[in-house]
Amino acid sequence: GQNIDQPTEMTATEGAIVQINCTYQTSGFNGLFWYQQHAGEAPTFLSYNVLDGLEEKGRFSSFLSRSKGYSYLLLKELQMKDSASYLCALTAPNAGNMLTFGGGTRLMVKP
Amino acid sequence: DAGVTQSPTHLIKTRGQQVTLRCSPISGHKSVSWYQQVLGQGPQFIFQYYEKEERGRGNFPDRFSARQFPNYSSELNVNALLLGDSALYLCASSGASGGPQHFGDGTRLSIL
Repeated sequence: GQNIDQPTEMTATEGAIVQINCTYQTSGFNGLFWYQQHAGEAPTFLSYNVLDGLEEKGRFSSFLSRSKGYSYLLLKELQMKDSASYLCALTAPNAGNMLTFGGGTRLMVKP
Repeated sequence: DAGVTQSPTHLIKTRGQQVTLRCSPISGHKSVSWYQQVLGQGPQFIFQYYEKEERGRGNFPDRFSARQFPNYSSELNVNALLLGDSALYLCASSGASGGPQHFGDGTRLSIL
C-alpha cells in the first residue's frame, strides 16, 4: 500500500515563499503529482515529477527525492488567490494512473 | 474545449435510496476515474475505466458500481445509500497512460 503524509495547515504572508512538504512510504510508484484545490472546487493539476529533481512552472516548483521518500511544492511570490488546499498524490505501478492522495495541506495566505 | 463535465452538481437523497452520477471526459480522453472526497480529506479512489473496461477498483463496498460507455462517458451508481456516503464525488479523465488526470467540478451528494 501507499502512505502519504502532509502538514494539515500552513500560513504564509503575501509576497513570501512557502514550501509544502510531502513524505510517503510505498513499495513503488510511477509519478508524484501536486494538485491545487480551492474550497468547493475541483482539484486542478499543478505539477508532475517522475525523476528526482526540480520541476519549475512559473511561480510553482516541485521537487522529488525517491531515495528519501520526499517531495515538496514551492510557491513563490505568494498571492491571496493561492489560499487553497494542496494535494500530493502518487500513481502506483501496474495500476493504470490511479491516484493515491495525501490528506492535503490547507494554505492560508495573509496580507 | 470543454473540460470534464459532471451531473448533477448537487443531489440530496435519503438512506436506502440509489443514486446515479454522470461524467463526460475531455474530448479524446479514454480513461475515466471516480473519487470520493469527504470534507477535509484528500480524494479516495473508487474506480478507473479505460476503453470501457474496469482497470482498477478501490476499497469500496459492492454497493458502488460503475460503467463506461462507447463514447467514453461514465456513470457511477451507489445503492442502499448510507449517511457516510455523503461526500463530493469527483470524476477525472486522462489521455496517455500515466499522464495527469483532469478533474470535473464534482457532484456533492448529501444523504439525509
